[in-house]
Amino acid sequence: ILNVEQSPQSLHVQEGDSTNFTCSFPSSNFYALHWYRWETAKSPEALFVMTLNGDEKKKGRISATLNTKEGYSYLYIKGSQPEDSATYLCAFDSGNTPLVFGKGTRLSVIA
Amino acid sequence: DVKVTQSSRYLVKRTGEKVFLECVQDMDHENMFWYRQDPGLGLRLIYFSYDVKMKEKGDIPEGYSVSREKKERFSLILESASTNQTSMYLCASSLPNSPLHFGNGTRLTVT
Repeated sequence: ILNVEQSPQSLHVQEGDSTNFTCSFPSSNFYALHWYRWETAKSPEALFVMTLNGDEKKKGRISATLNTKEGYSYLYIKGSQPEDSATYLCAFDSGNTPLVFGKGTRLSVIA
Repeated sequence: DVKVTQSSRYLVKRTGEKVFLECVQDMDHENMFWYRQDPGLGLRLIYFSYDVKMKEKGDIPEGYSVSREKKERFSLILESASTNQTSMYLCASSLPNSPLHFGNGTRLTVT
């Protein structure tokens, strides 16, 4: 069974702090790595889809990096705001089977 | 913008009832998926479909079936609801090798 691990499981930060969390995935049969943000009472929304080793993507204060050789991705949030509070999910994409999701990192930003 | 609509936000059913969860997407996506989300377990794949009348078992298909008679609609059926099927159910759709678009979820309680 394919294993996608996210750490930490949950995180509390103060408004204005920068933070990061990790997604580990198998380095074989890699096609893409997805990041999703899931806010309470809403549906998960795609943040990034990353395919190339060394990829770095950015969306406002959120960015992500990808290392396919060692099988990890980092998600960074710069200057966290209360509206960043959400569960962040990563998902491994082998290209020919459904996505395999990690259990998520629940971020709470305290004003 | 892609819209994935799940027919009910909240449902309460009795043990043994047959339950239908409906999902409709409006962007002509080939792929559709049903997940359930439980605390500490993340998103787990129940069934998926890559085409009309096609269905494949996911990681936890037991106690469920699905129907895809039309491209835009993917129904999840609980043949005889049990209390361990109390959960949040999420439907998603996508084009091949593209990010998932999720519905808002159905919180099902089986009493």
